[in-house]
Amino acid sequence: DAGVIQSPRHEVTEMGQEVTLRCKPISGHDYLFWYRQTMMRGLELLIYFNNNVPIDDSGMPEDRFSAKMPNASFSTLKIQPSEPRDSAVYFCASRSQGHEQYFGPGTRLTVT
Amino acid sequence: RKEVEQDPGPFNVPEGATVAFNCTYSNSASQSFFWYRQDCRKEPKLLMSVYSSGNEDGRFTAQLNRASQYISLLIRDSKLSDSATYLCVVKAPRKTSYDKVIFGPGTSLSVIP
Repeated sequence: DAGVIQSPRHEVTEMGQEVTLRCKPISGHDYLFWYRQTMMRGLELLIYFNNNVPIDDSGMPEDRFSAKMPNASFSTLKIQPSEPRDSAVYFCASRSQGHEQYFGPGTRLTVT
Repeated sequence: RKEVEQDPGPFNVPEGATVAFNCTYSNSASQSFFWYRQDCRKEPKLLMSVYSSGNEDGRFTAQLNRASQYISLLIRDSKLSDSATYLCVVKAPRKTSYDKVIFGPGTSLSVIP
């Protein structure tokens, strides 16, 4: 199994630009999670989906952030417009009911 | 109070030492508990689940104290390769409207030659 796949692995962009992060979960997993990790705040859950439906988006910082899951094998996290304080590592994770979460390698985002 | 709290460390220990991490959680109805390990600039990975009766996996022992709402991880005979951040993870009660896991801030361990 290829594991959770994320792209890009690194993203450097200027403030105000749109950023799209992508995730392919492990086949057969029906839960998908988006996390953000910074030194100051640790690992924060942004949003998660169950069977492609957003269940809890209370962790999404503000309206500049949006996430979609159009099908079971693909999800995006979009930031528009991006700001320097959005700089972080963004992880996608997936799991099936009752089992552990598997994390992707993360996208390291730098907004200048 | 944060939902899951850990001593951030860092813990600097010599090779061969025994080191213990504690984690406390606020929701007494929490059902499942885990320890994850995160290497520098890598993703978190499951180290072990924590069972009510306590469980051991080689040099690692996890224990749960429901009355005091804390979880512990003991590492014996520390190796250089144990250097990482250890994340305590608590799963939300099953009767809530959704299924959610909460990560603690992590405890940093450095094993020194």
